[in-house]
Amino acid sequence: DTAVSQTPKYLVTQMGNDKSIKCEQNLGHDTMYWYKQDSKKFLKIMFSYNNKELIINETVPNRFSPKSPDKAHLNLHINSLELGDSAVYFCASSSRAVSYEQYFGPGTRLTVT
Amino acid sequence: AQSVTQLDSQVPVFEEAPVELRCNYSSSVSVYLFWYVQYPNQGLQLLLKYLSGSTLVESINGFEAEFNKSQTSFHLRKPSVHISDTAEYFCAVREVTGGGNKLTFGTGTQLKVEL
Repeated sequence: DTAVSQTPKYLVTQMGNDKSIKCEQNLGHDTMYWYKQDSKKFLKIMFSYNNKELIINETVPNRFSPKSPDKAHLNLHINSLELGDSAVYFCASSSRAVSYEQYFGPGTRLTVT
Repeated sequence: AQSVTQLDSQVPVFEEAPVELRCNYSSSVSVYLFWYVQYPNQGLQLLLKYLSGSTLVESINGFEAEFNKSQTSFHLRKPSVHISDTAEYFCAVREVTGGGNKLTFGTGTQLKVEL
């Protein structure tokens, strides 16, 4: 019954590796987001997709590439991981009809060593 | 562009005492205002929101927030806190029109309720 789910919950990897984080929502929403929460708990939006179309792309390095195979999924692929990428990544979703209310996933804690 | 300021990074309070978590925002356009709560090791949950109408909004668990346009504030209050209210609280804004539903968050306030 999880509304917004993310896998994996924890991800520990070495610098230079490529990794992906998956997000799925079963709420029937048409908009999905990726947020990054740093070590000081500051939350910042990275990307937003509406009906598989990219609508928000904040100043995120090209190493980060979101992919939305369908409305219910928004995956985040990260190339050549760096120490500074260590953070908690949250996926969220909302519907166009109630666009002001975003539902967040449990987060993926990425640790780059 | 919008910005959100939460001046208090930590607020310790005894159980059953009142609490106020402060939030000020800056925006050149009309905004919606939100408070989200993050319990330890969990994602964010919407606590309450101001869209329009009455400037005082309430949540189901006793929190309330008041939109003050002249002071550009949206402070969160609870008259009597419980130990279970211990969490991180984030204030956020979103443009009423445009902006692609982008939420801009404050830096969060850690509410720690002690016995």
